[in-house]
Amino acid sequence: QQQVKQSPQSLIVQKGGISIINCAYENTAFDYFPWYQQFPGKGPALLIAIRPDVSEKKEGRFTISFNKSAKQFSLHIMDSQPGDSATYFCAASFIQTGANNLFFGTGTRLTVIP
Amino acid sequence: DAGVIQSPRHEVTEMGQEVTLRCKPISGHDYLFWYRQTMMRGLELLIYFNNNVPIDDSGMPEDRFSAKMPNASFSTLKIQPSEPRDSAVYFCASRHQRGIVHEQFFGPGTRLTVL
Repeated sequence: QQQVKQSPQSLIVQKGGISIINCAYENTAFDYFPWYQQFPGKGPALLIAIRPDVSEKKEGRFTISFNKSAKQFSLHIMDSQPGDSATYFCAASFIQTGANNLFFGTGTRLTVIP
Repeated sequence: DAGVIQSPRHEVTEMGQEVTLRCKPISGHDYLFWYRQTMMRGLELLIYFNNNVPIDDSGMPEDRFSAKMPNASFSTLKIQPSEPRDSAVYFCASRHQRGIVHEQFFGPGTRLTVL
């Protein structure tokens, strides 16, 4: 079954707007939540990641919001730019147990319109 | 470093043929992962290795799939015989065990088409 559920499947945002992608998980043992960005013809690349001991992490225009009680986390892209157009994957993993699987969401295709 | 290298980048084959995908991880990385990406199922982990040893192959879809890592700088994913439903993009990724960043570095992928 899908360990991490991601929505929406696709998103169209005007340049300068805010893009929001949401993910939810069930397994409370997950302790690492990264977001990967994938451009067409390329492999995914780590964008930003968060541990469950903080509720928010910001890197430039990209922010992860984390709600441990709701078992949800989201990616916010502020001042979205056409260059942000890509597919975004949330993921979850276990660090404390030493397991190394990344469980990916199904991806969100973001299109930023100039 | 050149990053994770995969070959070939594109592969077109006919049903029933053997397909071998290749991966060279980043030097010094202890872990190597094989993923499959399709529109329907997204990114799925097939198998991963630690120090050249297969740790978890529960994602390998069936016996037609096999993976090896004969040394720290090379891995193969083989499909024999191939079927049209194996058409997908196959990614290899690697990471090192040290450090606090849990980042996996992905290669550019191999787009496999089975006719």
